[in-house]
Amino acid sequence: DVKVTQSSRYLVKRTGEKVFLECVQDMDHENMFWYRQDPGLGLRLIYFSYDVKMKEKGDIPEGYSVSREKKERFSLILESASTNQTSMYLCASSLVGTGTYEQYFGPGTRLTVT
Amino acid sequence: AQSVTQLGSHVSVSEGALVLLRCNYSSSVPPYLFWYVQYPNQGLQLLLKYTSAATLVKGINGFEAEFKKSETSFHLTKPSAHMSDAAEYFCAVSAANTNAGKSTFGDGTTLTVKP
Repeated sequence: DVKVTQSSRYLVKRTGEKVFLECVQDMDHENMFWYRQDPGLGLRLIYFSYDVKMKEKGDIPEGYSVSREKKERFSLILESASTNQTSMYLCASSLVGTGTYEQYFGPGTRLTVT
Repeated sequence: AQSVTQLGSHVSVSEGALVLLRCNYSSSVPPYLFWYVQYPNQGLQLLLKYTSAATLVKGINGFEAEFKKSETSFHLTKPSAHMSDAAEYFCAVSAANTNAGKSTFGDGTTLTVKP
């Protein structure tokens, strides 16, 4: 079974703190993704990475950065957390290429910024 | 570019009734289509996917979906709803000729099942 794990299920941080969300997958997938999920807005792509050290901005990259130093690990960084970044964050991975490659999701991290 | 529209953010059915969740897509190239389910406080998991081999696709938990190119639709159905089907459902599309592991998701439909 593909396993995508996220470092925390629940996280509470203060405004202005630097926040790291970690994601690890064990299936040697090239693609990794970070989404945020808010009620009524579905899944919005923050960043994705298709290879080590490669990244592309998604739909809402402002206020976030990412790091991918190893194939299995993809980190999301909030440089200075703000209350409008309170959300559910989902990590996913998939194979890269032109096949019918579904995404495999982690359980999510519910981040609250106070 | 691809996009997905899920019609109805909330759908409510009685236990044992037909489930129909609607998804329309837009794609300039042949699409791959997916339905995912999300139970409370969990990540998404794949229900089924359209691979271009057959237009009627069967998935887990008794769900199926039919790809209709002329209608640009990929609606999800289940003949008889069960209480355990209550969840949020997402339709997604990716392009067959690019990095198909990158998908665009709809806004989701919350399914409520009444006893």
